[in-house]
Amino acid sequence: EPEVTQTPSHQVTQMGQEVILRCVPISNHLYFYWYRQILGQKVEFLVSFYNNEISEKSEIFDDQFSVERPDGSNFTLKIRSTKLEDSAMYFCATWDRVNEQFFGPGTRLTVL
Amino acid sequence: QQQVKQSPQSLIVQKGGISIINCAYENTAFDYFPWYQQFPGKGPALLIAIRPDVSEKKEGRFTISFNKSAKQFSLHIMDSQPGDSATYFCAASINYGGATNKLIFGTGTLLAVQP
Repeated sequence: EPEVTQTPSHQVTQMGQEVILRCVPISNHLYFYWYRQILGQKVEFLVSFYNNEISEKSEIFDDQFSVERPDGSNFTLKIRSTKLEDSAMYFCATWDRVNEQFFGPGTRLTVL
Repeated sequence: QQQVKQSPQSLIVQKGGISIINCAYENTAFDYFPWYQQFPGKGPALLIAIRPDVSEKKEGRFTISFNKSAKQFSLHIMDSQPGDSATYFCAASINYGGATNKLIFGTGTLLAVQP
């Protein structure tokens, strides 16, 4: 069964540092997403990415966040200067416009 | 209008019982309503989904009931098992018309099935 993979599984960083979260989408999927889940809360949409550009972003996705697909396989989320409130699980999801969105296992980001 | 309201927040059911989780939405443009199951430390996994052209969909022990006029949909888990203990999220999205298909999630229901 196809799967979305994410690295690292857990990232601990100091406030103000930059982090890059990585996702390897399912190979024939063209739509990519990042979602965030603060501990004990619901999953929230951050950004969608299609055809090498952002197609939609939420109000959470401010100037500190960026996404790119640097090498045609990985899909990354960069947080430029982390804040305490960025601590959350970050999920990558991908979609082929036919079936469901497949979610990766997530990266737990802890900002100290 | 983008919200999806989910209830209850938590649910305890005896093994073999029926678990029912409800969701309501406002945006009539939503055309895809999935339910996701999440175990601790894992990503959400699709359980079952429905489109608004049908009122019910059943897959094994899981059934979605959909009421378009009331803008509500619910998940029924028949013969609930301890292995069903997880957090369940309803969601909604706009799948067609060039939309990005972002998922709007409900707040989640923590289900505990007691043996």
